[in-house]
Formats: sequence, structure tokens, C-alpha cells
Amino acid sequence: SAVISQKPSRDICQRGTSLTIQCQVDSQVTMMFWYRQQPGQSLTLIATANQGSEATYESGFVIDKFPISRPNLTFSTLTVSNMSPEDSSIYLCSVGVSNQPQHFGDGTRLSIL
Amino acid sequence: QKEVEQDPGPLSVPEGAIVSLNCTYSNSAFQYFMWYRQYSRKGPELLMYTYSSGNKEDGRFTAQVDKSSKYISLFIRDSQPSDSATYLCAMSFNYGGSQGNLIFGKGTKLSVKP
Repeated sequence: SAVISQKPSRDICQRGTSLTIQCQVDSQVTMMFWYRQQPGQSLTLIATANQGSEATYESGFVIDKFPISRPNLTFSTLTVSNMSPEDSSIYLCSVGVSNQPQHFGDGTRLSIL
Repeated sequence: QKEVEQDPGPLSVPEGAIVSLNCTYSNSAFQYFMWYRQYSRKGPELLMYTYSSGNKEDGRFTAQVDKSSKYISLFIRDSQPSDSATYLCAMSFNYGGSQGNLIFGKGTKLSVKP
């Protein structure tokens, strides 16, 4: 299965600032996704990162708050903008290959003060 | 009613016990059923994957799907302290779960005591 690397692994940020999270895959993949895992809650899909076009966002998530880039088939970034304490969460990148279940990176643990 | 219900636990068992983890769901259109294991400070790791109803066994792990009851289970035999983790069930309508329509339970935290 693909090896997925996320950076940073964790960060503590001030409210009102923005943070960009990187996701690097060791092979070309068609499907890349960003999820959020809040304490005590289910993993929730934020968006599908589409190569060469705008990301597809799920209900409740907007591009202004979570802009996503996908410049090629091995890399994507998620930015969490104008952060507030409610954005404290784990953010996870996943990839889907050949009709097999998604594989996940180790996530970015984000705390907002 | 949430689409996928999973008891968050925590569940504590002695080493060697048989562990049963379960999820119920409401949408009969789910076709693919997955179990992920998540260790502390790590991402979810795919453990078992089943299409439609039936059983699947892999070593000490057995996944069961009962679509008529909308109920899935994961059994762990001869549980080990290294099995201590949070177990997440997930479901998908199509594409084998490769596309972004995975619906997760909240996860059950398991602790296996030596």
C-alpha cells in the first residue's frame, strides 16, 4: 500500500492565524482526501482533493476556510484559515487506489490557543 | 439517528480474552464494510475489509457482516496487549471504499491488560 507522509505532525497555533498541512504519497494516486477527527467524534470527510481542478467540499465545509491544493498526483495541501479553538482537531490525509479501501496518514494534531 | 453507531467504550479485557466489537447502521445501501485500528498518535490502519454479507478471517481477526440486521462485528481471538487501540468501523456505498464516501463510527477504545 502507498506510504503517506504528513507534515507537520503537530502544531500549536494562535487564533486568527492559518496553517498549511502537507500530504506526500510515495506513488501516484488518483484519489486524495482530507478528513477531520474531532475528540469524541467520527472521522468526517472535509473534501476530495482533485488534481488539476478545484477540490470538492462536503456539506459544512467551505473553500474559504479550508483551501486545498493538488498540484500533482503525489502531493496535496490543506490550509486551515483564520483558526479558532473550535478548529483544534486531528487532520488526516487519505488516498484511495484501485477500488480498495482508503489508507491514511498519521495525521496532524492541531491545537489553537 | 446517526448513520453508523458504535459504542465508544472503553472496553478493558484480560490478555487472552476473545473481544467482540460491533457497529450498527441505518442505511441498507452500504456495500463495503471496513475495520480500522488506530493507535495513539497514529492514523487509522486498515485491518479488515468485507464486501456485502458474510465472514472473513485473517489470523486472530474475524469480521462478520449481517446486512439483514444492519450489524457488523469484529472478533479478536487470544487478545494481546499490542491489540490495545481504538477500533473504527467504516462503511461505503461503492468503489470499494476507495472514494471519499466512507462513513465512520466513533470508534471503540480497547485495552488488553497483561
